[in-house]
Amino acid sequence: GQNIDQPTEMTATEGAIVQINCTYQTSGFNGLFWYQQHAGEAPTFLSYNVLDGLEEKGRFSSFLSRSKGYSYLLLKELQMKDSASYLCAVKDSNYQLIWGAGTKLIIKP
Amino acid sequence: TAGITQAPTSQILAAGRSMTLRCTQDMRHNAMYWYRQDLGLGLRLIHYSNTAGTTGKGEVPDGYSVSRANTDDFPLTLASAVPSQTSVYFCASSDSQGAANTQYFGPGTRLTVL
Repeated sequence: GQNIDQPTEMTATEGAIVQINCTYQTSGFNGLFWYQQHAGEAPTFLSYNVLDGLEEKGRFSSFLSRSKGYSYLLLKELQMKDSASYLCAVKDSNYQLIWGAGTKLIIKP
Repeated sequence: TAGITQAPTSQILAAGRSMTLRCTQDMRHNAMYWYRQDLGLGLRLIHYSNTAGTTGKGEVPDGYSVSRANTDDFPLTLASAVPSQTSVYFCASSDSQGAANTQYFGPGTRLTVL
């Protein structure tokens, strides 16, 4: 079966750095996406990785290792507005997105 | 631009009743999707459409039907609602179904079936 695993909840302090991990087992791989979802709102796109390595986009970076079936999202200089759920999703061999359950990130002042 | 709109925002429905959730996009995207999101679970694909006139079944299609008469609209119909269909429903679209194509989401419909 296909499976995406990420921690259920994480807590971090304003101004700090947090790393949210995602491991996956899917039938085929056509890229990995990270989305942000604030409570009661729609998911919004953060990043896309298809090749191994780090993609940096402002305060957010995303890393991929295809051989390990592993990705992480790195958030720097945390702000209160970063409190949200972060969803990891893999596009499989049928080009369908398989989603993790999401990691709820709580930012404390 | 509006992007993707969904209606209604929320609805309480009696079991056994039918309902259509509406989804409209103005980005001229070819592909559209319907997901449900339940607490503790990832988004699950119900149905999708790669282009106007075609539809396909996702992971959890039972009890739902869709149509894609034109590029912009992708309604989801529950023929006879059951309490297990209580969920938040998101419509999404992408330029195509290709690997790098990002899916953009509507605001969601919160449905409660009693």
